[in-house]
Amino acid sequence: NAGVMQNPRHLVRRRGQEARLRCSPMKGHSHVYWYRQLPEEGLKFMVYLQKENIIDESGMPKERFSAEFPKEGPSILRIQQVVRGDSAAYFCASSPRQSSTDTQYFGPGTRLTVL
Amino acid sequence: KQEVTQIPAALSVPEGENLVLNCSFTDSAIYNLQWFRQDPGKGLTSLLLIQSSQREQTSGRLNASLDKSSGRSTLYIAASQPGDSATYLCAVRQGNQGGKLIFGQGTELSVKP
Repeated sequence: NAGVMQNPRHLVRRRGQEARLRCSPMKGHSHVYWYRQLPEEGLKFMVYLQKENIIDESGMPKERFSAEFPKEGPSILRIQQVVRGDSAAYFCASSPRQSSTDTQYFGPGTRLTVL
Repeated sequence: KQEVTQIPAALSVPEGENLVLNCSFTDSAIYNLQWFRQDPGKGLTSLLLIQSSQREQTSGRLNASLDKSSGRSTLYIAASQPGDSATYLCAVRQGNQGGKLIFGQGTELSVKP
């Protein structure tokens, strides 16, 4: 059973370009979470999605950032018109359900560098 | 607003020592608390998950305790090894905020051979 997959592992963009980060949850998991780890900072929650629904986006910046988790295919975190401050590691996690007994399984992360 | 703090920020010990990592949180209304390990440039590996009704969990040389009333958790590592060198993260899941985890800043552990 493969773990959480994220791609690309490393992404370089110039200011103003778009970044698309993909996350494939573990098989059987329908809950996806995105977190961001800025340099020298801890992990911060961004958004929580179930299939086709955004459940909690309280950690998402109001502009330029969006996320989706379609019925088929991976979850996508999209950053439009990237700026240098978007440079960070973006982690995706998945769980089978929202239960207090369920751990979240993390992917290896996508490291975004904005030039 | 929940805040999670980990002390110390960094710790260096000789191989074989027993050590304790500390985590404190400001809001005791949590569903659970997890300890993770993060290796440089890598993702997070879950080590232990303690439910709000539990006092401790053990896995091998690791033991995590939880005192909800005082807002504290400790991760005890017995007989440390160089392979334990990593950053250890504590995260709490709030009871009223869906599934999101709130992380501490982490403790960077270095075990010297």
